[in-house]
Amino acid sequence: DSGVTQTPKHLITATGQRVTLRCSPRSGDLSVYWYQQSLDQGLQFLIQYYNGEERAKGNILERFSAQQFPDLHSELNLSSLELGDSALYFCASSPRDSSFNYGYTFGSGTRLTVV
Amino acid sequence: GEDVEQSLFLSVREGDSSVINCTYTDSSSTYLYWYKQEPGAGLQLLTYIFSNMDMKQDQRLTVLLNKKDKHLSLRIADTQTGDSAIYFCAESRGYQKVTFGTGTKLQVIP
Repeated sequence: DSGVTQTPKHLITATGQRVTLRCSPRSGDLSVYWYQQSLDQGLQFLIQYYNGEERAKGNILERFSAQQFPDLHSELNLSSLELGDSALYFCASSPRDSSFNYGYTFGSGTRLTVV
Repeated sequence: GEDVEQSLFLSVREGDSSVINCTYTDSSSTYLYWYKQEPGAGLQLLTYIFSNMDMKQDQRLTVLLNKKDKHLSLRIADTQTGDSAIYFCAESRGYQKVTFGTGTKLQVIP
């Protein structure tokens, strides 16, 4: 157990629907990162939050949004889902933001299947 | 922009050494990492190296960095079947966004 908790582990939904993925960071970590892993795109950075504030944005679609709550858990909202959104969504956490980085702690991911 | 490239697949026999290679484009990279992903699991940090280092050894793992050629390698000595996984090279410039490579699938043949 890495200490980063992601729920649900699996999600199957239809095109056009909206889903919410949840992440609880490792205790004491203030930063949360979301990544999308698909077979053809590899591991793509979506967005980072630090202590409740958006810090960095990657290849995140406008249909996707995220937030980090005061208790530091984060949610990734995916709307108007398309077949191509099927992927593994990983959350990772780290202790700090702008200081150097000893690496992330990853959760075990949420597998989203859009049918 | 940042780009990290790896070969997709490597097959080795149990007991041999494995060498997984990676190239990156960002000359400002400060930290370089190797992560391991086992089936059905998230990525696990194996080791990291600062850009001012040439080599780092950690038990069966040896990381070599050639900053001039922007080439990073991970050597696993005495490779075991439990080492079968996908290995990701990654880099960052000191702020928190880490860029990952495409991953190399290591297959260990008994």
